[in-house]
Amino acid sequence: DSGVTQTPKHLITATGQRVTLRCSPRSGDLSVYWYQQSLDQGLQFLIQYYNGEERAKGNILERFSAQQFPDLHSELNLSSLELGDSALYFCASSLGTITYNEQFFGPGTRLTVL
Amino acid sequence: AQSVAQPEDQVNVAEGNPLTVKCTYSVSGNPYLFWYVQYPNRGLQFLLKYITGDNLVKGSYGFEAEFNKSQTSFHLKKPSALVSDSALYFCAVRDGSGGSYIPTFGRGTSLIVHP
Repeated sequence: DSGVTQTPKHLITATGQRVTLRCSPRSGDLSVYWYQQSLDQGLQFLIQYYNGEERAKGNILERFSAQQFPDLHSELNLSSLELGDSALYFCASSLGTITYNEQFFGPGTRLTVL
Repeated sequence: AQSVAQPEDQVNVAEGNPLTVKCTYSVSGNPYLFWYVQYPNRGLQFLLKYITGDNLVKGSYGFEAEFNKSQTSFHLKKPSALVSDSALYFCAVRDGSGGSYIPTFGRGTSLIVHP
């Protein structure tokens, strides 16, 4: 158990809908990262937050947004969903932004868009 | 810019035999290198990392990795494979000399250990 929790575990929704994925980092970790994993694209970095502030942005679509709250949990909002958004979404956390710190991954949320 | 390549989509090995999962990298400065493992329906799990020092790094579950600066490689190894080692393995790199805080992950290598 990595100490990172994600809810829900599975999510099935329809095209055009909006969903929110939630992540609680490991106790003491200030950095939260969101990743999308699909068979054809591999593991894609979406966005990073550090202590409530956006720190880095990757291949995140404009339809997607995220935030980190004062208690350090984070939410990833996906809107106007398309079939191609079906994927595994992982949250990871690390102690800070030091580049040699490893990341601890949650179990993921499997999103299916029908 | 930083990048990592895992040249093999799949590695097959018999139980009890040594295994190697290959990784090569490219960074502008000093590399920080990581290996993660992903079991089915689970998140990635940290195995080991290289920051500096000894080129042979030991990690969890009997895995080790050898850093080779001249060949820009960081291959994952285990002397004797177990069926339970079957999983997806990811190599990742960060530039330790500045630049992106975000690691770049390889596409993953599926390790299949046959009984």
